[in-house]
Amino acid sequence: AQRVTQPEKLLSVFKGAPVELKCNYSYSGSPELFWYVQYSRQRLQLLLRHISRESIKGFTADLNKGETSFHLKKPFAQEEDSAMYYCALSGVSGNQFYFGTGTSLTVIP
Amino acid sequence: EAQVTQNPRYLITVTGKKLTVTCSQNMNHEYMSWYRQDPGLGLRQIYYSMNVEVTDKGDVPEGYKVSRKEKRNFPLILESPSPNQTSLYFCASGTNYNSPLHFGNGTRLTVT
Repeated sequence: AQRVTQPEKLLSVFKGAPVELKCNYSYSGSPELFWYVQYSRQRLQLLLRHISRESIKGFTADLNKGETSFHLKKPFAQEEDSAMYYCALSGVSGNQFYFGTGTSLTVIP
Repeated sequence: EAQVTQNPRYLITVTGKKLTVTCSQNMNHEYMSWYRQDPGLGLRQIYYSMNVEVTDKGDVPEGYKVSRKEKRNFPLILESPSPNQTSLYFCASGTNYNSPLHFGNGTRLTVT
């Protein structure tokens, strides 16, 4: 069963425009949710996690338990935001960590 | 520097020739795991380990083996590689299964 869904494989926005990367999860309890980013030819790195409620590089994500969503948002996209973004979920089944299929974001200058 | 180190970065091999991809972390993390990354499929967990001598299957364990004899090392073993195991592999570690993961640089494996 797909536990993390990222409906958009590709997303293009213009520089300065708002961006939202969607993530929905399937779990009725209290999940741990994360966003990871992978810049070109680099390793995956943590962008943010829901319990810390931080804003990293201008990105925020709010956990909506009613809609089981954890969408990633940024009000003004920058060219350096172009990357692959993965939503991830843990604590659901055993000790596994589930990733979505990723969204490739391109910010057009 | 805190890091997860994978070797090799690139590997080309032939069907059936056993290979091992090494993974080592220097953060004293208890949790370690292996993923494969394929276009359109994202990252899928192969195996994970909660601690020394404790390993469990992830979503796609067929054709792979792991061992966790020491806390810092978590090698991925392909006893008889097949072309469908051609992929980009990532090792990751964390304090526990609910904590943020630290990833290695990846190993690009091609099986012909």
